[in-house]
Formats: sequence, C-alpha cells, structure tokens
Amino acid sequence: GESVGLHLPTLSVQEGDNSIINCAYSNSASDYFIWYKQESGKGPQFIIDIRSNMDKRQGQRVTVLLNKTVKHLSLQIAATQPGDSAVYFCAASRDSGTYKYIFGTGTRLKVLA
Amino acid sequence: EPEVTQTPSHQVTQMGQEVILRCVPISNHLYFYWYRQILGQKVEFLVSFYNNEISEKSEIFDDQFSVERPDGSNFTLKIRSTKLEDSAMYFCASSTDRNEKLFFGSGTQLSVL
Repeated sequence: GESVGLHLPTLSVQEGDNSIINCAYSNSASDYFIWYKQESGKGPQFIIDIRSNMDKRQGQRVTVLLNKTVKHLSLQIAATQPGDSAVYFCAASRDSGTYKYIFGTGTRLKVLA
Repeated sequence: EPEVTQTPSHQVTQMGQEVILRCVPISNHLYFYWYRQILGQKVEFLVSFYNNEISEKSEIFDDQFSVERPDGSNFTLKIRSTKLEDSAMYFCASSTDRNEKLFFGSGTQLSVL
C-alpha cells in the first residue's frame, strides 16, 4: 500500500546550524505534500507545503525540496533554534481518487544548546 | 488566527462504553476529517466528510464509528462500544478544499480502560 517514510527517527543539531529532514513517498501519483511540526501533546502544525509542479518552495527559515524522480522530499530549517525542537512529519495526498493524506512516521529534531 | 478546536482534551472511559469526541472546524472550511495517532506511531486517517456525508473512510473506521455534523459548526466522532485498542490521540482537521492545507486541532487523548 501507499507509504510515506522518513529516513531518520531522531536528528540532533547544534543551535544555529541548519537542519535537513528527509522523507520518501511511494505513490508516484501523489501531487501535494505538506510538512508538519508536532510538539509534545499538541496537534500537527502546518509548516510549509509544495505541489508536484514545483521543485522548491521557501518560507520563513524553511525550504522544502521535492524530487519527483526519486519520490523524495526534504525540509530544510535554517539557523535552527531551540523552539524548533519537535517531531516533524511529511504528508502526501493526490488530487484524484482520495480525500486522505498519508503521513510519515516522523523525525524527532533535537536542538542542542 | 482561526483554529480547529477539540473537546475534551482528555477522555477516560471503560471498555464497552460510548464516547463522543467533539470538534469545531474552521468556519469557512468545507472538508472535515478525523485522524488518530497511537502513541509513538503515525498519524492515521479515519474518515473524511464533505457536503454532509462521508466521502472516504479507512479500514479502521468500522461500524463502531460514526461521524455527524449536527449543526453548522460542530463535527463529532462517536465510538459506540470502545475497545482497549481505541486508546489513542484523536485529531480533528479541516480544509477549504480537498488537496489543500489541513489544519489540525490539539487532539483528544482517549484512554480506554
């Protein structure tokens, strides 16, 4: 079945460094992708999204890169701050045939002071 | 900023009892969802709801589950006879359209004893 996976369960980075969190998806028909941040005891919080007609999208301190050839996307966080510590999920959906989003397992980002 | 609100934040129930989880989606959103997350696992799709009917449901969403939009603002998930394995965090989400940003509530932690 469809899956969305993340490469590492935990990522530790020094405060001020850049973070890169990766995600792979299995369904080549997926055409919309979202990155979420989830802090302990809270719901997923939208960070940034990208559609399949784009390779890159930038937000405030975050960039999402999409490589459709290898079905991979990444989230880059610039100048990582302690407040960035959380679990990060990617989610994938497609415009036709389904209403659901498939979520990855999540990568826990730990920011070291 | 508009947000999805969920009540209660925690619900403890005995096995076999009925529970109703409540959600108020963002007011101009048309698509409504329930997802759940068992501790340490992925966020899993349960059901989507559009135009006053279920548009899609997962295998998890069996006959014990039902959803309702009793008025113009509330969206509820009912579990008729809870099982131990229903213990999870339940998230309500809404979006303006399919294949658009999903906004999540803070979740209801359901514990079935």
